[in-house]
Amino acid sequence: VQLVESGGGVVRAGRSLRLSCAASGFTFNNFVLHWVRQTPDKGLEWLALLSSDGSRRSLKVSMIGRFTISRDNLNSVLYLDMNNLGVEDTATYYCARDQEDGSLDYWGKGTLVTVSS
Amino acid sequence: SYLLTQPPSVSVTPGKTATITCGGSSIGSETVHWYQQRPGQAPLLLIYSNSARPSGIPVRFSGFNSDNTATLTIDRVEAGDEADYYCHVWDPNSDNWVFGGGTKLTVL
Repeated sequence: VQLVESGGGVVRAGRSLRLSCAASGFTFNNFVLHWVRQTPDKGLEWLALLSSDGSRRSLKVSMIGRFTISRDNLNSVLYLDMNNLGVEDTATYYCARDQEDGSLDYWGKGTLVTVSS
Repeated sequence: SYLLTQPPSVSVTPGKTATITCGGSSIGSETVHWYQQRPGQAPLLLIYSNSARPSGIPVRFSGFNSDNTATLTIDRVEAGDEADYYCHVWDPNSDNWVFGGGTKLTVL
């Protein structure tokens, strides 16, 4: 099982960014997937989840309207679209696989997003 | 949103037992997962469904959940256990998952 995030980088405040998570080593369309972030020197923050078929999504309440989670089951990729970024969104963003009970059994190494003012 | 309270830090000497708590209103009614995160690494699932251990996790790690507190216990602590530990719970009121603030375990 491998999850590889990409799309991070330095972006100016107010801009948008799309993160990708390429999955391999398991049947992608059988699993719920999540995005979690970690701000520098801070703890983990859950952001979003998307069901295996893409029909059910849940987004952290404070992110509704700015973040969108989606997936491409044909190509085994999970996405996180982030709009109107602020400096507070500077963090390492992880994708993770849900082993059916909400526990996250595989994580990517993360992609760093830095929002500059 | 649902608030999970963990002690910021716990210290323990090698060979002793470390206890890390995760407090939340009626958390005993929910399912709790625990993660270990070493510096510079992604989190690792340590305990799921309150007390189950994924394959490869030593029996020294155990979990319990009741009333308003979930507990992660690490027996016979080793230097390699030094890491941050996070609890993780579903909040049905907000339809969101929530992480505790994390506990830094220091092995003296």
